Amino acid sequence: SQQGEEDPQALSIQEGENATMNCSYKTSINNLQWYRQNSGRGLVHLILIRSNEREKHSGRLRVTLDTSKKSSSLLITASRAADTASYFCATLFTDSWGKLQFGAGTQVVVTP
Amino acid sequence: DAGVTQSPTHLIKTRGQQVTLRCSPKSGHDTVSWYQQALGQGPQFIFQYYEEEERQRGNFPDRFSGHQFPNYSSELNVNALLLGDSALYLCASSGPGQPNEKLFFGSGTQLSVL
Repeated sequence: SQQGEEDPQALSIQEGENATMNCSYKTSINNLQWYRQNSGRGLVHLILIRSNEREKHSGRLRVTLDTSKKSSSLLITASRAADTASYFCATLFTDSWGKLQFGAGTQVVVTP
Repeated sequence: DAGVTQSPTHLIKTRGQQVTLRCSPKSGHDTVSWYQQALGQGPQFIFQYYEEEERQRGNFPDRFSGHQFPNYSSELNVNALLLGDSALYLCASSGPGQPNEKLFFGSGTQLSVL
């Protein structure tokens, strides 16, 4: 499958700790995006990183991209209970314009 | 400013029936994509509409069809429903010139096929 694959599948941490999740993919990408989903409802866009970028920040989020290893990581610093959600990476492959494809996600639980 | 709206929120159908799901994109958005999300899985791309035409299609059978109207709203139709079609159906919209960046999602339609 061309889709990104997240690792780990699930993550349980305490408030204040950092959460790191990874995404790997198999073919060349145009961009990679991270989304959050609460309670199986609509997804919310968090951050986008283009293939020529290596790192981006947005608030408590830090995303890295290593195109040589075909992988990305999402770091959430100083986690809060409200960060409890499923996190998905979505990849736009260069040979399938228009098909933004999602991985299976990482389920993050942040306990107070 | 209303975001992406989908209707209905829940739907129960029986095998063999047909269903139509509706989506209104965020104001100013012209591209609509549809996704199917099974329980515990990531969203699977069904197709994308722009200028009332299907631009891209995922690995879904012809039973899945769509339409986009001049006001950019969209419908997803599924014929001959199967039990395996039970899922959350998500609509996402994106803005001019950025069809595959920063998708805005609706809350979805939960379809149950009995």
